[in-house]
Parts: sequence; structure tokens; C-alpha cells
Amino acid sequence: DAGITQSPRHKVTETGTPVTLRCHQTENHRYMYWYRQDPGHGLRLIHYSYGVKDTDKGEVSDGYSVSRSKTEDFLLTLESATSSQTSVYFCAISEQGGTNEKLFFGSGTQLSVL
Amino acid sequence: AQSVTQLGSHVSVSEGALVLLRCNYSSSVPPYLFWYVQYPNQGLQLLLKYTTGATLVKGINGFEAEFKKSETSFHLTKPSAHMSDAAEYFCAVSGRNNNDMRFGAGTRLTVKP
Repeated sequence: DAGITQSPRHKVTETGTPVTLRCHQTENHRYMYWYRQDPGHGLRLIHYSYGVKDTDKGEVSDGYSVSRSKTEDFLLTLESATSSQTSVYFCAISEQGGTNEKLFFGSGTQLSVL
Repeated sequence: AQSVTQLGSHVSVSEGALVLLRCNYSSSVPPYLFWYVQYPNQGLQLLLKYTTGATLVKGINGFEAEFKKSETSFHLTKPSAHMSDAAEYFCAVSGRNNNDMRFGAGTRLTVKP
């Protein structure tokens, strides 16, 4: 299994509070991704990173920010959590971000915003 | 832009029966197509992928999929279902790079004894 650790695994928080999710990889892969998974929508890309301090928006980036200060760590921050951000969040990595590369996924973080 | 439609959010088969999970795609560039599987409380794992070349792709656990450009389809099949195949399956299409990847809504496969 690819060395990807997401923390926390479960989080319950209140509307309006900031939340940070962490993804840590031991594979030294260049690309890292944050997805959210919602019933009926599959996985949707929030943000991705193509190197240290290099990030870009995905399909559903509103309300989220990211940071990557080290190759191995990719943080997802909800500045002010809303109930619509209740979801399962997955981190993924790929070696070079190529179009035919497979993604390796972490085990996910279940976030509930009350 | 890429998109994927998975026909059927739930599929139920008996153990030993044929598994057929349907996926149709739309892509503005030659597509790369993937099937991922998600077991309960786990992340997604790659089952198989189509890039170029042979249109019949074999994956892990006895699954295979056939790329049909004329039908814009990439259906997943397995001749004989096993109880351990019960999971959620996602079809995905990639465009020019991985950040263009789009996933379908998923199909939950139930296998009855």
C-alpha cells in the first residue's frame, strides 16, 4: 500500500469554526490532491499541488484553502466550516501527475459540520 | 471537458453470476479511462485502466473492461461474482493531466449468497 496517512480520521465540528485536515505521504510523489466524496456525486477535486508551494484550484474549491510547505505534507483548511462541507475527504497522490497515471488514495477523513 | 455517467447506482447479483457495471464517458481529447474500487471505510484502489492500444483491458481480481470508442463506453465485467467483490465501483476519465480527472457517481455492487 502507498504510504498515505490522513488525519484526523473522523472530525465533528460546529458551523463557523476553522478546520484543518492533514495528508502525509512517504512516497516522495510530486502531485497531491484533495477530493471530497458525496453520495450521487462521486469524487470531486477540491485543490491539488504539483510541488512545494505550488497549488491550484479544482472543481469545487470555494470555501477551501490548501498549503504545501513540504513535499510530504498537504493541508486542507476550511476557514469557516459550513454544513454543506460535511463530507468524506480523500487525499490522493501521483508520481508526476500524468494523464495516464493512477492515483493512490488515503483512507479518508469523515467530517461532520453541525 | 470530461464527464462520466455510471448507469445504475446499485447493482445486485448472485454469487457466481456475471457482473456488469456500465460506464459512459464524454471527453474532448482522447480519453484515458479508469475503474477504481472502494471497500468499506477505505480509499479507492485502481482495478484497471485504459490508455492506448488493446481495447480489452484486464485488471485485478478477474475484472476486465472494454473500451468502445463508437459507443463512448467502458463497461466493467467479471464472469463470476464472488462475495468479496461487494464494494463501490467508480469509473473515471482523465483529460490532459490528472487534475482533469472526473469520476462517476459510483455503483454499489451487492453480491447475494
